[in-house]
Amino acid sequence: DVKVTQSSRYLVKRTGEKVFLECVQDMDHENMFWYRQDPGLGLRLIYFSYDVKMKEKGDIPEGYSVSREKKERFSLILESASTNQTSMYLCASRLPGQGSFGRDQPQHFGDGTRLSIL
Amino acid sequence: AQSVTQLGSHVSVSEGALVLLRCNYSSSVPPYLFWYVQYPNQGLQLLLKYTSAATLVKGINGFEAEFKKSETSFHLTKPSAHMSDAAEYFCAVSQNYGGSQGNLIFGKGTKLSVKP
Repeated sequence: DVKVTQSSRYLVKRTGEKVFLECVQDMDHENMFWYRQDPGLGLRLIYFSYDVKMKEKGDIPEGYSVSREKKERFSLILESASTNQTSMYLCASRLPGQGSFGRDQPQHFGDGTRLSIL
Repeated sequence: AQSVTQLGSHVSVSEGALVLLRCNYSSSVPPYLFWYVQYPNQGLQLLLKYTSAATLVKGINGFEAEFKKSETSFHLTKPSAHMSDAAEYFCAVSQNYGGSQGNLIFGKGTKLSVKP
């Protein structure tokens, strides 16, 4: 089974802090994703990475950055945390698929990090 | 633009009753479709996926979904609900254009409650 591990289940930080959320997958997947999940808004894509050192903006990248130095690890960084970034953050990974841009491949999710910014 | 609409943010059924969760999608090309389940304080778990091999797709935990192109629907069903099915369910379509091709577009989710 694919295992996607997020380093913290719950995290409390203060406004203005730099916050790091870590995600590790054990299945050698090329593609990795960061989402935030808010009630009534569903899942929204923050950033994704097709491979090591590669990153692409998702739908809501403002206030976030990412790092992918190793294939198995994808980090989400809140440069200067604000209260409106209080949310559930979900990491996912996926195989790239064969000639379909990964469209046929399911994403595998971690258990999430519930982040509170005070 | 592609989209996914899940009708009903909350659905309540009695234990043993049929579960029907509705999902409609928009896509200009044959879609790849997924259903995920999220239990409280957990991540999303894949229930099933449609990748054009068969219109009726069987998934885990007794769930299945039927792809209907004419109705642009991919509704999720289970003949008999269990208390353990109480969770939030998400339908998703794979994006088929632009730089984000292959990324998932999620519906807003349907919370399923199961009454004893």
